[in-house]
Amino acid sequence: SQQGEEDPQALSIQEGENATMNCSYKTSINNLQWYRQNSGRGLVHLILIRSNEREKHSGRLRVTLDTSKKSSSLLITASRAADTASYFCATDAIGRQGAQKLVFGQGTRLTINP
Amino acid sequence: ETGVTQTPRHLVMGMTNKKSLKCEQHLGHNAMYWYKQSAKKPLELMFVYNFKEQTENNSVPSRFSPECPNSSHLFLHLHTLQPEDSALYLCASSSRGSLRNEQFFGPGTRLTVL
Repeated sequence: SQQGEEDPQALSIQEGENATMNCSYKTSINNLQWYRQNSGRGLVHLILIRSNEREKHSGRLRVTLDTSKKSSSLLITASRAADTASYFCATDAIGRQGAQKLVFGQGTRLTINP
Repeated sequence: ETGVTQTPRHLVMGMTNKKSLKCEQHLGHNAMYWYKQSAKKPLELMFVYNFKEQTENNSVPSRFSPECPNSSHLFLHLHTLQPEDSALYLCASSSRGSLRNEQFFGPGTRLTVL
């Protein structure tokens, strides 16, 4: 089954620096999404990039997608302490009976040090 | 607030107890999901409901019993759980047929099985 794998598993940087997280997946996709999760809370959708897009921006977030390499990256520029969280990529899949579902990676734990 | 609520937020139960988790979405979505999140493991999809019909059961043990009385409410009935079932249980909803397939998550129920 396809599954996103994030790299690195953990990242610790100083406030103000840029943070880059990578995601790899195994099968063809229609789109790829990034989610954020604060400790012990639910996931929050950040950004979606379609398979025919190569780059997308949203505020301080920049997502790239390389379908030939089956990989994506999430860049957070000018990081802030409040960006400390876990970040997950998710790829779309069709389950049994045509149900849409997402397959999540293991996530990158990002720590921004003040 | 994502428009998805979960109760209770925390639950401690013995292995012989019966309890239920509740999820409610106020977004007009027609698909709802249960996920299990354990420490150091990827987010595991448990069940998918589309228009109140269960369309995915990801080999979940029968001690977990989902119920979807309508497209706004989703329950997870728990019975004779094991300590390894301790985890964060997340509910999500989405609009089936949407090209985005973005999921909206509740805050989760932290379950501890003694």
